Amino acid sequence: DAKTTQPPSMDCAEGRAANLPCNHSTISGNEYVYWYRQIHSQGPQYIIHGLKNNETNEMASLIITEDRKSSTLILPHATLRDTAVYYCIVSAQNNDYKLSFGAGTTVTVRA
Amino acid sequence: DSGVTQTPKHLITATGQRVTLRCSPRSGDLSVYWYQQSLDQGLQFLIHYYNGEERAKGNILERFSAQQFPDLHSELNLSSLELGDSALYFCASNLNRDEETQYFGPGTRLLVL
Repeated sequence: DAKTTQPPSMDCAEGRAANLPCNHSTISGNEYVYWYRQIHSQGPQYIIHGLKNNETNEMASLIITEDRKSSTLILPHATLRDTAVYYCIVSAQNNDYKLSFGAGTTVTVRA
Repeated sequence: DSGVTQTPKHLITATGQRVTLRCSPRSGDLSVYWYQQSLDQGLQFLIHYYNGEERAKGNILERFSAQQFPDLHSELNLSSLELGDSALYFCASNLNRDEETQYFGPGTRLLVL
């Protein structure tokens, strides 16, 4: 079962940063926070993950609060191609690596 | 392109029939995961195979079965199909190492009429 809470939808202007929040108040010490996205019924695509520290890669940044009960995915310069459903998932190394997807946040980037 | 391939892309069949979905993992990956995505239930984990052996089961119906072959490709068999089995079926693969992400294929869209 999904252990995260995300807003169902949000809009973002093209070229602006998109900040996607996720609550995971029951996260365990050994659970990572993963973000995936799904563009129009394509296979989900990995974006970024982290345990405690903030992380950045070529796609996005992940900010995890000190108590690890929430996180924010930041798309620094949203483009129309970033329109997708974004899933925040918590997963432990010892749960056999399965991913439990919730409803996610539908992000619409507008020109 | 994730490197994971799935065939067929689309499948239309009738209730009561049996179908087989195929997944080829990324080169070198030992783990294959199957997920079902339906309109009312979202993306749900079905089953995980590692190097030919079943590792974990999720919400997989008894009418469904899977296997992973020595060449590491996997097949998901769906039998006695019902209208509610219409969905997107995704497979994903990885090396099953700690912290590793999963790489998803493009999916098979199944329509049961």
